[in-house]
Amino acid sequence: EIVLTQSPGTLSLSPGERATLSCRASQSVGSSSLAWYQQKPGQAPRLLIYGASSRATGIPDRFSGSGSGTDFTLTISRLEPEDFAVYYCQQYGSSSIFTFGPGTKVDTK
Amino acid sequence: QVQLVQSGAEVRKPGASVRVSCKASGYTFTSYDMHWVRQAPGQRLEWMGWINAGNGGTKYSQKFQDRVTITRDKSASTAYMELSSLRSEDTAVYYCARLGAQGRNLDYWGQGTLVTVSS
Repeated sequence: EIVLTQSPGTLSLSPGERATLSCRASQSVGSSSLAWYQQKPGQAPRLLIYGASSRATGIPDRFSGSGSGTDFTLTISRLEPEDFAVYYCQQYGSSSIFTFGPGTKVDTK
Repeated sequence: QVQLVQSGAEVRKPGASVRVSCKASGYTFTSYDMHWVRQAPGQRLEWMGWINAGNGGTKYSQKFQDRVTITRDKSASTAYMELSSLRSEDTAVYYCARLGAQGRNLDYWGQGTLVTVSS
């Protein structure tokens, strides 16, 4: 089973700054199988990025995804107040199994 | 618009079972798989399994294989997740989520159902 790790655990930034979040897989992951979600306190996760780099419907273009193989990145170009949240990466593996990373919390500096 | 509306919070004693429902609207229920994901307090998301809403086929995480059953009622556009032999570690928010058209991500989520296991 593929294990996902995310770094950093917490990212403390100010509005307007750039956020770079990392997701690393224990084995190579097909780019089409990597997604990112945003979760705010008390809310369900929201799909941001699928296929490693495609934005989901309604997601602002300040969110972008990149990467391949075992290393993937979520970038928020300029943080807005509503972007402070926890971000999870997810991979879809063989045997139709989903795996989530531990999450990166983006909070206010 | 697509909506997944889950049943309300539940409290159970250890050893009991719980069933959570997820009513779908705004799309053709049988055309999309439905997944279940849980999140214990302060923990990461944990995938539990899915059901093919069309033919009823299921796939479960090995961790929950012996205790979880996912079913659906096509006539009611509703999916169900039943977890048995509950223990305190099963206290969590349980989410249903629709498999996206790309087949590799979850594009719409229910609001979550808190299940508390306590004696």
